Formats: sequence, C-alpha cells, structure tokens
Amino acid sequence: AQSVTQPDIHITVSEGASLELRCNYSYGATPYLFWYVQSPGQGLQLLLKYFSGDTLVQGIKGFEAEFKRSQSSFNLRKPSVHWSDAAEYFCAVGERTGTASKLTFGTGTRLQVTL
Amino acid sequence: DGGITQSPKYLFRKEGQNVTLSCEQNLNHDAMYWYRQDPGQGLRLIYYSQIVNDFQKGDIAEGYSVSREKKESFPLTVTSAQKNPTAFYLCASSIFDSQSQPQHFGDGTRLSIL
Repeated sequence: AQSVTQPDIHITVSEGASLELRCNYSYGATPYLFWYVQSPGQGLQLLLKYFSGDTLVQGIKGFEAEFKRSQSSFNLRKPSVHWSDAAEYFCAVGERTGTASKLTFGTGTRLQVTL
Repeated sequence: DGGITQSPKYLFRKEGQNVTLSCEQNLNHDAMYWYRQDPGQGLRLIYYSQIVNDFQKGDIAEGYSVSREKKESFPLTVTSAQKNPTAFYLCASSIFDSQSQPQHFGDGTRLSIL
C-alpha cells in the first residue's frame, strides 16, 4: 500500500513571503500525485496534479509543485503568499488496488498567514 | 453550475440511532466516494462506487452502509454500530474510477453525537 507523509503539521508565514509545503510518498511505480486545499468547514479543492512529463506543474491560485523521483517528493510552492491562502493543504497519491482505485491522503499541513 | 451537494451541513445523532447523509452530483460522474475526516488524520476512505448498483468497502467501512441506485446519488448511512461517529464526512466523485482522475468534493457534513 502507498503512503503519503506531510512532515509539517502547522506552518506560519508572513504575507508576501514564499511558501514551500513538503510531501513525500511511497510508491513503486510512477505515481499520480495531487495537491488539494481545504478552507475551514469546506470540502477540498484541487490545486494541481502530476501524472507524467514536465516535473514542474502549475496549478490554480499561483501554486506550483515539483516532482522529484529521486527524493520521492512532490513539494508545493508559492512565491508570494496572500492572507487568503490560509487553509489546510493535503497531498494525495492515486493508487490502483485490484479492480478499483483510491486516493491516499497525507495528514495535512495547516497554513497560517500573518499580516 | 455542476457540482456535488451534501446535506445536511450539520447533523446530530442520538445513541442507537441510524442517520443518513445525502450526496448528490450533477457532474455526470461514474465514480463516487465517501471519506471520513478527523483532526490530524487526513481523509480515510469509507466506501466507494465505480458504477450504479455497485459499491465496495474502503479502509474503514465498519458501522457504515451505502447504496447507489442512481448515478447522481450516493447516500451514506451511519449505523448505531459505529461507536465513534463524530467526524466531518466528505463525499467526492470522479469522471471514472482511475488513479489518474482527480476527485471533486462536496462541502461536507459535520456529524455530532447528542
């Protein structure tokens, strides 16, 4: 079974500062990787996804992520954080199990933005 | 606008009571999923359905049941056998069941015990 690790439970950054959220995965083959964002009391919104090809993927809201196979990582980045980016961020990997597929999520990183 | 509608937003359960959480999608997606979210634990898969009239247990199916009689609907029943039902429940769908397909989420139902 696959696993996803988000080592940072909580991160605080100042508005305008750069951001990097870490994600490590374990999977034998080429993974299907996703980043989602969740505002309090809301569902999850897809930020970006990686399947193959260019290892730097662009997403919505100015986010990007870089796939590094050698490090089994898929870190999320943003050059300049806005106060509205405060939320919880989840990394996920797509897995095929038998006749069905599933997403395995990390435990999330809560981002706080100070003004 | 297409999307996933979960209702109610808040739900309270008495001891020994079954409650049903609604999930409706108008995205014409074949696959639907139910997740449970607890603080610090991320999302855990309860049940999923690849197609109408078919569903499979996820990682934490005990104490839950589902049905998939229509493509657009995937209700979740939290039975009295689920001893710790307090959580945030999220419904999701994808175009079809594939590890490459992103899932689209509803806004969730928060279930609490009275």
